[in-house]
Amino acid sequence: DIVLTQTPLSSPVTLGQPASISCRSSQSLVHSNGNTYLSWLQQRPGQPLRLLIYKISNRFSGVPDRFSGSGAGTDFTLKISRVEADDVGVYYCMQATHSKTFGQGTKLEIK
Amino acid sequence: EVQLVDSGGGLVQPGGSLRLSCAASGFTFSRYWMGWVRQAPGKGLEWVANINEHGDEEQYVDSVKGRFTISRDNAKNSLYLQVNSLRAEDTAVYYCARDSISRAYESWGQGTLVIVSS
Repeated sequence: DIVLTQTPLSSPVTLGQPASISCRSSQSLVHSNGNTYLSWLQQRPGQPLRLLIYKISNRFSGVPDRFSGSGAGTDFTLKISRVEADDVGVYYCMQATHSKTFGQGTKLEIK
Repeated sequence: EVQLVDSGGGLVQPGGSLRLSCAASGFTFSRYWMGWVRQAPGKGLEWVANINEHGDEEQYVDSVKGRFTISRDNAKNSLYLQVNSLRAEDTAVYYCARDSISRAYESWGQGTLVIVSS
């Protein structure tokens, strides 16, 4: 089974500063069809889960360009260029190349 | 606007059963794979099951195989999860979600809480 390991598990960030979350897979997430099915989701208190990024680096509809995704193979990163108060919550990576698995989540909080 | 409304959760004894439902609106339900994801109290997300557009292909996480059954009724724009032989470790909020061609869950329900306890 694929294991996704996120670091850090908690990230205190100053408003207006960047934040970065890493997601490392126990196996390559490149599918036999050439696609890499790695996405990022946001869970804010009292809000429905929200898709931010799909297939490594594609922003979902309505997601601000402050959010960006990158990576390849087994190593992936979500970056927020300038953290806003509304970004507080838990962020999950999810792979769907081999069945589906989530990372354990990274809690983003304001310093 | 895409809407997914989860229902059917509740308190059930170990070994009991429930049927979770998800009512979909705002999109052509029969064109999408759908799934269930759960979140135990204070824990992260865990994928549970997926079903294809026609309802003839199902996928499950190993821990629920043989106990849970995902199904859908495209005429009613509804997704279901029959949960049997429930265990304490099945206690969680269960979310339905719409899958996409990019294999990312694009839309989510608000969740329904299942508590397994005597």
